[in-house]
Amino acid sequence: AQSVTQLDSQVPVFEEAPVELRCNYSSSVSVYLFWYVQYPNQGLQLLLKYLSGSTLVKGINGFEAEFNKSQTSFHLRKPSVHISDTAEYFCAVRGLGGGSQGNLIFGKGTKLSVKP
Amino acid sequence: DGGITQSPKYLFRKEGQNVTLSCEQNLNHDAMYWYRQDPGQGLRLIYYSQIVNDFQKGDIAEGYSVSREKKESFPLTVTSAQKNPTAFYLCASRYPGQNTGELFFGEGSRLTVL
Repeated sequence: AQSVTQLDSQVPVFEEAPVELRCNYSSSVSVYLFWYVQYPNQGLQLLLKYLSGSTLVKGINGFEAEFNKSQTSFHLRKPSVHISDTAEYFCAVRGLGGGSQGNLIFGKGTKLSVKP
Repeated sequence: DGGITQSPKYLFRKEGQNVTLSCEQNLNHDAMYWYRQDPGQGLRLIYYSQIVNDFQKGDIAEGYSVSREKKESFPLTVTSAQKNPTAFYLCASRYPGQNTGELFFGEGSRLTVL
């Protein structure tokens, strides 16, 4: 089975500052990794995903994430945040197996609050 | 435009009543999912369906029921047996041939029990 830990429940940051949202996972099999963003009272949108290949993955809205297999991490970064980045961010993992292993497992979320 | 439509967006229910949340997709996706979201708890899987007329329990299926009579539709019923039904409910779909497992989400339905 897989599990996901998002290490920070809330991250406040000033506008134009860099930000890192941390995510660690646990799995006995190879995985795919995802970051989703959720704005208030809306569904989730995919920011980026790691499937294979380059460990640095670029997504929408200037976000990127780095897959680190040895540390079982997939931290999300943005060099300069905007007020509009205020949202909740979810890390998710999917094991490369059949059946229920193919379901996405979500972390508990990190609320990013960008202050002017 | 293709997408997932959830209705109603807001729903109020008295204790002891069953309610049904609608989820319709026109993405031609085979697999559909229902998640429950509570503050600080992330998303927890209630039920999922990989194909019409078949569905499986997720991690928190007690007090919920589903049906999958059509590919496009996957309604969720919150029964009176669900002890704490107030939550935000999210429907999602995935095309199994897309083996990444990436999900596409609806806008959600917020259920409040009075």
